[in-house]
Amino acid sequence: AQRVTQPEKLLSVFKGAPVELKCNYSYSGSPELFWYVQYSRQRLQLLLRHISRESIKGFTADLNKGETSFHLKKPFAQEEDSAMYYCAPSLSGGYNKLIFGAGTRLAVHP
Amino acid sequence: ETGVTQTPRHLVMGMTNKKSLKCEQHLGHNAMYWYKQSAKKPLELMFVYNFKEQTENNSVPSRFSPECPNSSHLFLHLHTLQPEDSALYLCASSPSTSGRGEQYFGPGTRLTVT
Repeated sequence: AQRVTQPEKLLSVFKGAPVELKCNYSYSGSPELFWYVQYSRQRLQLLLRHISRESIKGFTADLNKGETSFHLKKPFAQEEDSAMYYCAPSLSGGYNKLIFGAGTRLAVHP
Repeated sequence: ETGVTQTPRHLVMGMTNKKSLKCEQHLGHNAMYWYKQSAKKPLELMFVYNFKEQTENNSVPSRFSPECPNSSHLFLHLHTLQPEDSALYLCASSPSTSGRGEQYFGPGTRLTVT
């Protein structure tokens, strides 16, 4: 069965520390992978997608097909990065369907 | 207003009431979705509509009844709900109906069933 796992419910770091939010997936095909973010009292929004290979707000994510992982990283966390982060693979097979992980709350302390 | 809008933002209803949630997208997308976000579970996909046709019903109880009159509007009709149905209900849309791609979310309707 297709599954996405975010092993950490809460990640607590100090400002300026490196951050890595983990995501592992199990799919038979080749999913397209996304990270979504939800800041306090704001709507869920796309942070980045793996095919773009871009850096958004200092965050990057590399798809590791061997380990079936798509971890989100930032070298120096900022207080405004505090939010819920969701890893979401999009299934292949002809229709647009996202499966969300349980989410990781990132808390960046001053 | 641009993007995806949802009304009402908050709703309190009794178990015998009938109410409807509304979603509207101003993005010209052809796919729309309902999700349930509750405190103790991951975000759950409920329904998918492509070009007004329902293409996914993720084993949702019949007390939730979706309606998609056109590609811009999506409703979720609610009747005889249970307290465990209390959650944040999110609507989303996407430009792609047959491929893969990102989704755009509304702010959600916070539903409380008493």
